[in-house]
Order: sequence, then C-alpha cells, then structure tokens
Amino acid sequence: DSGVTQTPKHLITATGQRVTLRCSPRSGDLSVYWYQQSLDQGLQFLIQYYNGEERAKGNILERFSAQQFPDLHSELNLSSLELGDSALYFCASSVGDSAREQYFGPGTRLTVT
Amino acid sequence: ELKVEQNPLFLSMQEGKNYTIYCNYSTTSDRLYWYRQDPGKSLESLFVLLSNGAVKQEGRLMASLDTKARLSTLHITAAVHDLSATYFCAVDKNTGNQFYFGTGTSLTVIP
Repeated sequence: DSGVTQTPKHLITATGQRVTLRCSPRSGDLSVYWYQQSLDQGLQFLIQYYNGEERAKGNILERFSAQQFPDLHSELNLSSLELGDSALYFCASSVGDSAREQYFGPGTRLTVT
Repeated sequence: ELKVEQNPLFLSMQEGKNYTIYCNYSTTSDRLYWYRQDPGKSLESLFVLLSNGAVKQEGRLMASLDTKARLSTLHITAAVHDLSATYFCAVDKNTGNQFYFGTGTSLTVIP
C-alpha cells in the first residue's frame, strides 16, 4: 500500500458524459501527478500539481482538466467522453516539486460505452 | 520529444535462468526509475537511479544506469515465478518533473 488513495475504483459511463476522479496523496506529499494507461498509448503523463498550483503539463486533452485543493487532494475531470478515453487512470504523489520518486495509487478504471 | 524504449517487449523465461531488460532514452537525464506492475494493479517502485554508474540490487533484480550511453538495464538472476509482471522504466528530464515511461516489458517466468 503506497498511501495514495483513489476513488472510485471502477467507473462505467456513456459517451458524451462527464466524470470526476479523485486522488488523495500520501501524508506530507505536496505534488500530485495524473497518468493515463491504455493499451494503445501506454502510460502517459497528463498533469502535475504542486501545493495547489499547476506545475507541468503532458499529453492532456482540452476536454480534461484537473485541480488540487487546499487539503492537497486532487480531482481529474473528464468531459465529453469518447470510447478512446477508456483507460486506467493513475494518480501519484511525491514530496517535493521535482519528483525524485513517485508513489502510485491503485488507479481508477474508466470504461466508456 | 523524449522517447523511452524498452526491449524486449515480451519475455518468456524459464525458472532459474538469467536475463536482462534494456531501457534506452533519447535525452540527457541523470534520473531513471524502474517500476513493476502486476496485472490490473498499480505501479510499485523498484529502483531509483540518480547518477551515472548507479547500481542497485534487491533480491534477484539488479538495475544499473549509464547516462552517457542513455541506457539502463534491469538484470534478473535465477528467475522465479513470482517475478512474472510487467516492468517499466521511466525517465524525467533533469530540468523537469514529468515522467516519461517506457513501453514496458511483460515478463513471464515458466517452470
């Protein structure tokens, strides 16, 4: 158990819908990272927040957005969902701004039908 | 764009044998990470390599980093079934905090 929690574990929704994935980092970690893992794209970095501020952006679609709240938990919002958005979404956390090591949560499996 | 390539992509090996997984990356970086993922599970950190020539060992796994060659290896010694998993390497740019993951190597250890 890494200490990073994610909810929900599974999510099934229809195309065009909007969902919110939630992540709580390890106690003391200020950075949260979001990743998408799919069969065709592999494991891709989406976005990083550090202490409430966006720090790095990867291959995140405009339909996706994220934020980190004062209590340091983070939410990833996915809207206008498409079949290709079906994937495993991981959250990771690290102590500082520059990640020397990231601890991954259990993931949320999103299925878009 | 930074590229991270692993080979082989799939590896089937017999118990007791040795093998090496290779991770090549395309940009300057002194930091490389190895993770393990079991089917349907999260990623578990195995090794953090933070300098040229770094070598770390844990049980039957040993990882090394050659930053000049932009190459890391994960060596498996006397494989056992419990090592069956997918192994990922990841690199972050020295100036950044974004991880770039390799394609993964799916390892199956057969009796």
